[in-house]
Amino acid sequence: EPEVTQTPSHQVTQMGQEVILRCVPISNHLYFYWYRQILGQKVEFLVSFYNNEISEKSEIFDDQFSVERPDGSNFTLKIRSTKLEDSAMYFCASSLRTTTGYTFGSGTRLTVV
Amino acid sequence: QQPVQSPQAVILREGEDAVINCSSSKALYSVHWYRQKHGEAPVFLMILLKGGEQKGHDKISASFNEKKQQSSLYLTASQLSYSGTYFCGTEGRNFNKFYFGSGTKLNVKP
Repeated sequence: EPEVTQTPSHQVTQMGQEVILRCVPISNHLYFYWYRQILGQKVEFLVSFYNNEISEKSEIFDDQFSVERPDGSNFTLKIRSTKLEDSAMYFCASSLRTTTGYTFGSGTRLTVV
Repeated sequence: QQPVQSPQAVILREGEDAVINCSSSKALYSVHWYRQKHGEAPVFLMILLKGGEQKGHDKISASFNEKKQQSSLYLTASQLSYSGTYFCGTEGRNFNKFYFGSGTKLNVKP
């Protein structure tokens, strides 16, 4: 069964450093998303991406965040200057259409120290 | 914008039934249901696109009441494998903005 692949599985970074989280969505999917989940809490929407541009973003997705699809397969989330409160599990997801469910990757646990 | 789920937690014995509710203060165009096991990614269960729609597979089914802006997930004859946190997710007119509910933690015991 096709999978969404995320790397790395765990990243530890110093506060103020930049991190790039990487995702390879399912190849024929057209819609891409980033979510985050602080430990024990709900899954929070960050951003959706379609046709090489951001479709929607949440209030959390401020200027320190950016997304890119640098080639035909990768989808990245960059956090420019990490804060302690950015520590969370970051999930990438993709879907074929807006009317189908999302397939989530296994996540990247980001720890900011 | 964020849907509200109830109850927050449920403890069941194997074979018992449960209902998880999801409601929104805004008009809904679709409702998704996901299950997340501890330390894992959410796994898609089903999506309901039309008011009045009901779906199900195996012993897990869901309904969508568009007028009441509510959806319910029904788990019948629960199995140990049903344990996990269940999230509903809702979309408004813009399908690209999707919000998860706060989750319902289901614990099925032998």
